[in-house]
Amino acid sequence: SQKIEQNSEALNIQEGKTATLTCNYTNYSPAYLQWYRQDPGRGPVFLLLIRENEKEKRKERLKVTFDTTLKQSLFHITASQPADSATYLCAPSNTGFQKLVFGTGTRLLVSP
Amino acid sequence: GAVVSQHPSWVICKSGTSVKIECRSLDFQATTMFWYRQFPKQSLMLMATSNEGSKATYEQGVEKDKFLINHASLTLSTLTVTSAHPEDSSFYICSASRAGGENEQFFGPGTRLTVL
Repeated sequence: SQKIEQNSEALNIQEGKTATLTCNYTNYSPAYLQWYRQDPGRGPVFLLLIRENEKEKRKERLKVTFDTTLKQSLFHITASQPADSATYLCAPSNTGFQKLVFGTGTRLLVSP
Repeated sequence: GAVVSQHPSWVICKSGTSVKIECRSLDFQATTMFWYRQFPKQSLMLMATSNEGSKATYEQGVEKDKFLINHASLTLSTLTVTSAHPEDSSFYICSASRAGGENEQFFGPGTRLTVL
């Protein structure tokens, strides 16, 4: 069965450093991989989508990589800020309006 | 753009009653809407997928007679939890995909349901 793994332990980093979160998937060949941010008691917010033929995608301080050979995506936040503290979810998907299967999420804590 | 609202944001009800949750796409037409449930410290679990004008597709293990979904228009989907019990207490979140998009989903703020 499809499996999506994200670090279940919280990632603690200092303000200004780069945070790197990992998403690994098995038994799956997604055409896209999406990253979302979720704050406590709120719905997730879409951040970035990367296609299988793209190795890297950037948006402001965010960078996502997608390695279909390793079946892994890395999510980077550069110059992290306390406001970046949240849970980050990855979700592989295929074409069309198909359902998303979310990873368990990694909680990021950025301390000042 | 791409704003999704949910109503109510929280609800407390007695065991055995039914609760309706509304999900609206405010500034776009939602080809497909999704309903999720999230228990504390867990990830989102998809309950069902609904397309406007057709029956919802439920995930394995989700009782369609208990969780009634109606997607009456391209901007409104409702989830009714029938005969709610304390174990149905959870955070219910809807999302919507828009036509012409890249399969990203836009989520509502969620509804906290507490069944006493």
